[in-house]
Amino acid sequence: EPEVTQTPSHQVTQMGQEVILRCVPISNHLYFYWYRQILGQKVEFLVSFYNNEISEKSEIFDDQFSVERPDGSNFTLKIRSTKLEDSAMYFCASSEASGPYGYTFGSGTRLTVV
Amino acid sequence: AQTVTQSQPEMSVQEAETVTLSCTYDTSESDYYLFWYKQPPSRQMILVIRQEAYKQQNATENRFSVNFQKAAKSFSLKISDSQLGDAAMYFCAYRSAKAGGTSYGKLTFGQGTILTVHP
Repeated sequence: EPEVTQTPSHQVTQMGQEVILRCVPISNHLYFYWYRQILGQKVEFLVSFYNNEISEKSEIFDDQFSVERPDGSNFTLKIRSTKLEDSAMYFCASSEASGPYGYTFGSGTRLTVV
Repeated sequence: AQTVTQSQPEMSVQEAETVTLSCTYDTSESDYYLFWYKQPPSRQMILVIRQEAYKQQNATENRFSVNFQKAAKSFSLKISDSQLGDAAMYFCAYRSAKAGGTSYGKLTFGQGTILTVHP
């Protein structure tokens, strides 16, 4: 079964450093998303991406965050200057279409900011 | 904005028994989709079951079924013949079906219910 692949599985970074979280969505999917889950809390929407541009973003997704699809296969989330409160599990997801389909989530990247 | 509420932070069930997880949601839209996701200790998000709001028939996937009450805005998950592998956090989620709407494509999650299965 096709998978969404995320790398790395765990990243530790120092506060103020830039991090790039990488995702390879399922190849025929058109919609891409990033979500985050702070430990023990609910999953929160960050951003959706369609047709090479952001289609929606949440209030969490401020100027410190950016996304891009640099080569038609990878989908990245960049955090420019990490804060302690950015420590969370980050999930990439993709969806084939906008109908009743659920997303396929990646296995997540655990980001720890120290 | 849509909200999703799971009022049971934790539930437990004996192996082979049946358990029902509750979910309510608030929306002014008439067309939407509802999902249940399972998150085991590995923290992978796994789709369990989905329901289209325009369908009156409740969705079923093997041992998993839903009770969808549109007027009451309720979407509960029933797990029959519970197995040890069902132990996980379960999330209810909402997705608008409105093209171009502000929440189009976005999943809104509830707070989650931790399910423990006792042998």
